[in-house]
Amino acid sequence: DTEVTQTPKHLVMGMTNKKSLKCEQHMGHRAMYWYKQKAKKPPELMFVYSYEKLSINESVPSRFSPECPNSSLLNLHLHALQPEDSALYLCASSQEGGTVNQPQHFGDGTRLSIL
Amino acid sequence: GENVEQHPSTLSVQEGDSAVIKCTYSDSASNYFPWYKQELGKRPQLIIDIRSNVGEKKDQRIAVTLNKTAKHFSLHITETQPEDSAVYFCAASFQKLVFGTGTRLLVSP
Repeated sequence: DTEVTQTPKHLVMGMTNKKSLKCEQHMGHRAMYWYKQKAKKPPELMFVYSYEKLSINESVPSRFSPECPNSSLLNLHLHALQPEDSALYLCASSQEGGTVNQPQHFGDGTRLSIL
Repeated sequence: GENVEQHPSTLSVQEGDSAVIKCTYSDSASNYFPWYKQELGKRPQLIIDIRSNVGEKKDQRIAVTLNKTAKHFSLHITETQPEDSAVYFCAASFQKLVFGTGTRLLVSP
């Protein structure tokens, strides 16, 4: 079953709130990703975890804090976000760690709105 | 870094026609080229991919061609159906996956 599950599906938060996005996969994949997608734009890479270690941070502001508690879970902690951070946040996973040159399977995303 | 250009931005065809979407990439080290289909409000879904050691790959009505010398790759959909309507993204990868700007395909019955 090629499935990546993201919760919540929708999130509305104020600029002073702290919230977390969650991503889970049970395919035994060893690489996990966070992407940000604005309306009518392509996904943009934020972070890559390989074997539960952060391997790529695309110069993302510190108000976004990723965490990989184990090989199946990926979190994105949010704090003091700005209105321009409103977007669809996509999680993805792929089978092998150490390389991004392989199929990535996406979740349905969390649609985030910052008031 | 890698830059991926995609054309056209919008493509309208009649059911049964063929559709072609073209992409160019800048980093000659890129060696993996997937194509994703994203329906409105849904996740990007991988529909086909190709590696740099292969020139062409086909899966039923979908085919992808790669010209490494020209740094071009294309998606070909034959016998289009209304359910093919979606946004299609090409991507190129070496150290990270970089997506093209997307093509909105509309297939009219």
